[in-house]
Amino acid sequence: GAVVSQHPSWVICKSGTSVKIECRSLDFQATTMFWYRQFPKQSLMLMATSNEGSKATYEQGVEKDKFLINHASLTLSTLTVTSAHPEDSSFYICSAGLAVGWDTQYFGPGTRLTVL
Amino acid sequence: DAKTTQPTSMDCAEGRAANLPCNHSTISGNEYVYWYRQIHSQGPQYIIHGLKNNETNEMASLIITEDRKSSTLILPHATLRDTAVYYCIVRVAVDSSYKLIFGSGTRLLVRP
Repeated sequence: GAVVSQHPSWVICKSGTSVKIECRSLDFQATTMFWYRQFPKQSLMLMATSNEGSKATYEQGVEKDKFLINHASLTLSTLTVTSAHPEDSSFYICSAGLAVGWDTQYFGPGTRLTVL
Repeated sequence: DAKTTQPTSMDCAEGRAANLPCNHSTISGNEYVYWYRQIHSQGPQYIIHGLKNNETNEMASLIITEDRKSSTLILPHATLRDTAVYYCIVRVAVDSSYKLIFGSGTRLLVRP
């Protein structure tokens, strides 16, 4: 149980285009989902916390107009990287917490974004 | 900022116990200690968590000191597949939710 999926697993795009990444909780409902970014040989950095039906809360230094987050249902959150640039190339990982009595975040497999 | 400090790297022999230490001297009374691990190019995998008492599951044991300022993750019989980066995290309460702030982690290498 507690499986989180991400789609796509990798994506290559041209500079200036927008890319959408999906995060789904497959066998549980998640009121809260989290988005992280990880650069090579570095740790995970929390970008934002996403609550179902409300606006996401972004960490300091993360541009909310650059990284659009939508959490429209209890099983789906999306991250859209708008007007992507090569410096946005990174490993993006989501996690989800159980809706009822949650005490653990379960992570997706990650999405590797390469911007040319 | 992360509330934990861990050694940068460790190694152990296959079949032996791996003991990974973590310091969290500023932990608050209601904050949990979580352990995750990340194998290269994958999402972090949950291992175990605890508040005050020692915990054990099918993957590992977690030993928390009485003053809660440090803890140790124990993999009782390490295998080559346990080679990964291990993150010790103090879960921080924010409004009605929680956050996990990752530190640098410990890179564990299990030797044949």
